[in-house]
Amino acid sequence: SYVLTQPSSVSVAPGQTARFTCGGDNLGGKSVHWYQQKPGQAPVVVVFDDSDRPSGIPARFSGSKSGSTATLIISEVEAGDEADYFCQVWDRSFDQWVFGGGTKLTVL
Amino acid sequence: QPVESGGGLVQPGRSLRLSCVVSGLNFDMYAMHWVRQVPGKGLEWVAGISWNSEKKAYGDSVRGRFTISRDNAKQSLYLQMNSLRADDTALYFCAKERMMGFGETHFDSWGQGTLVTVSS
Repeated sequence: SYVLTQPSSVSVAPGQTARFTCGGDNLGGKSVHWYQQKPGQAPVVVVFDDSDRPSGIPARFSGSKSGSTATLIISEVEAGDEADYFCQVWDRSFDQWVFGGGTKLTVL
Repeated sequence: QPVESGGGLVQPGRSLRLSCVVSGLNFDMYAMHWVRQVPGKGLEWVAGISWNSEKKAYGDSVRGRFTISRDNAKQSLYLQMNSLRADDTALYFCAKERMMGFGETHFDSWGQGTLVTVSS
């Protein structure tokens, strides 16, 4: 089955930029969605279709994709951004939704 | 917002049925999914169903043991879990796909989850 690879953790100071990567084979042909999950809460989508942002999500959140890697960027990181971030794709070959293992953001 | 129920403590090998009620929208217009999460771990997609129940799909770890279904008249989604194992222990979320199609777009609404513990 399809695998998405994410680093386990990212640490940044407040006001800096956090970058989260998500790697997978032939990722260019898939739409990548990103979710934020804070402790004790359900996931919330912060970027969908590689780079679109839902209403209500600050412009500090952005997404991009190049080759086999998708990237979520949070600029001007705030303490409230501390959370786990998961990427997700639809694997048409196996008719399955796939999540990456998640990256924990620590705001120093 | 979806609201899940039906979780609890169950012995290995037994069955459990989860339910999810969705209010405030036209439930029959959207594909729906179950996603689970072992506390402190990542998200795992469990199963999904199209708006009209014609398409169903399952994750590798549950295929053949779990069955997803829905009742549009009751705005409800279900997950019948059979032959439960210790590694099925997790928080189970009900999630709505943003559009009618299956696998077309992201999950834009999630419940708070119902905890399933499989243990003797």
